[in-house]
Amino acid sequence: DAKTTQPPSMDCAEGRAANLPCNHSTISGNEYVYWYRQIHSQGPQYIIHGLKNNETNEMASLIITEDRKSSTLILPHATLRDTAVYYCIVRPFAGGYSTLTFGKGTMLLVSP
Amino acid sequence: NAGVTQTPKFRVLKTGQSMTLLCAQDMNHEYMYWYRQDPGMGLRLIHYSVGEGTTAKGEVPDGYNVSRLKKQNFLLGLESAAPSQTSVYFCASSYLFVDTEAFFGQGTRLTVV
Repeated sequence: DAKTTQPPSMDCAEGRAANLPCNHSTISGNEYVYWYRQIHSQGPQYIIHGLKNNETNEMASLIITEDRKSSTLILPHATLRDTAVYYCIVRPFAGGYSTLTFGKGTMLLVSP
Repeated sequence: NAGVTQTPKFRVLKTGQSMTLLCAQDMNHEYMYWYRQDPGMGLRLIHYSVGEGTTAKGEVPDGYNVSRLKKQNFLLGLESAAPSQTSVYFCASSYLFVDTEAFFGQGTRLTVV
């Protein structure tokens, strides 16, 4: 699996947009970008994933650069409950079985 | 709909004791995984299964065994617990295709003294 690089921590004010970057410069053409988050002591929670196009769901938006070497997760209106560790993961699309490989992620602290 | 359920939630073992952690999912998922998480670290994959009767080693399999006798259950065994196995253990499940999300349990906090 391709490796990812994320900043260890970020701060965001409540109500503002949180933009979490992820670098995956060695990503292959058949690898998806996934985002999960882990609120303190809980199991990780799926947020969103994409291959080439930008994606949006009720939780967040995912912006993938045209060369696919980096992406940004956007939480449009961060709340205190969004304080968590956010993991960016790349995962092959096909060619056998694929697991989820977690790095250390970004600790997002949302403050009042 | 319970999702992924882990049993037990907490356990304290003495060095050398054995135990089994149970993971049960009710979503008919093919994939199941066991991860461990140590303080300040991301999750590391111990073992995984791509279907009933199959298992495979992950990143840190030593000291653990697994079984998948039924599709809905994935068991993680510690035959002779060591203090280095003190950790939080998470189970997850997903459909077979890689473009689907994985669902995680709430974790089992294991302390080996």
